[in-house]
Amino acid sequence: SAVISQKPSRDICQRGTSLTIQCQVDSQVTMMFWYRQQPGQSLTLIATANQGSEATYESGFVIDKFPISRPNLTFSTLTVSNMSPEDSSIYLCSVAGTLYEQYFGPGTRLTVT
Amino acid sequence: KQEVTQIPAALSVPEGENLVLNCSFTDSAIYNLQWFRQDPGKGLTSLLLIQSSQREQTSGRLNASLDKSSGRSTLYIAASQPGDSATYLCALTSKIIFGSGTRLSIRP
Repeated sequence: SAVISQKPSRDICQRGTSLTIQCQVDSQVTMMFWYRQQPGQSLTLIATANQGSEATYESGFVIDKFPISRPNLTFSTLTVSNMSPEDSSIYLCSVAGTLYEQYFGPGTRLTVT
Repeated sequence: KQEVTQIPAALSVPEGENLVLNCSFTDSAIYNLQWFRQDPGKGLTSLLLIQSSQREQTSGRLNASLDKSSGRSTLYIAASQPGDSATYLCALTSKIIFGSGTRLSIRP
């Protein structure tokens, strides 16, 4: 299994600003994923981030709104840009194990006012 | 398009009861299926992973089954405890898709 940490754990931000969320893994992994969990909802995959290549975004998510960096095999960032109250969610990163099982970070709770 | 459904959406049972949570999916072409629990405001904790070639997995009081032909998985919790209260999510990997979750409440 992998141990994953995220920063910040929570934040309250103003409309129109941007927030960058960091995800750190204790081992080298090929695939990292970013999810959004809106209030009372299940998880929705935003994008898959592989080191050395552009992130692959799911339908409904675009790079301009959610730019992702993956500078090495243990770290990734997700930026939520030009935020609106609709972006208030929990953002989670995860990594895939050898059997494609998912290990999750503790999440970042974002509130946009 | 793969769809994942969890029934019921919420469940409340008295302590000590055995219970079953259901997860159904529309496309049997999956790599594996994973069950998670999520405590309020927290991340996800992996409970069990069933590979596509397996029928079930057990961990302590938890038993998960997988029937790809019928597009179903169940999570069986034996002798439920108040500490089992959480939201339980199933997820498929081939394309990572989560079910909507079952919010479980165990009454002392």
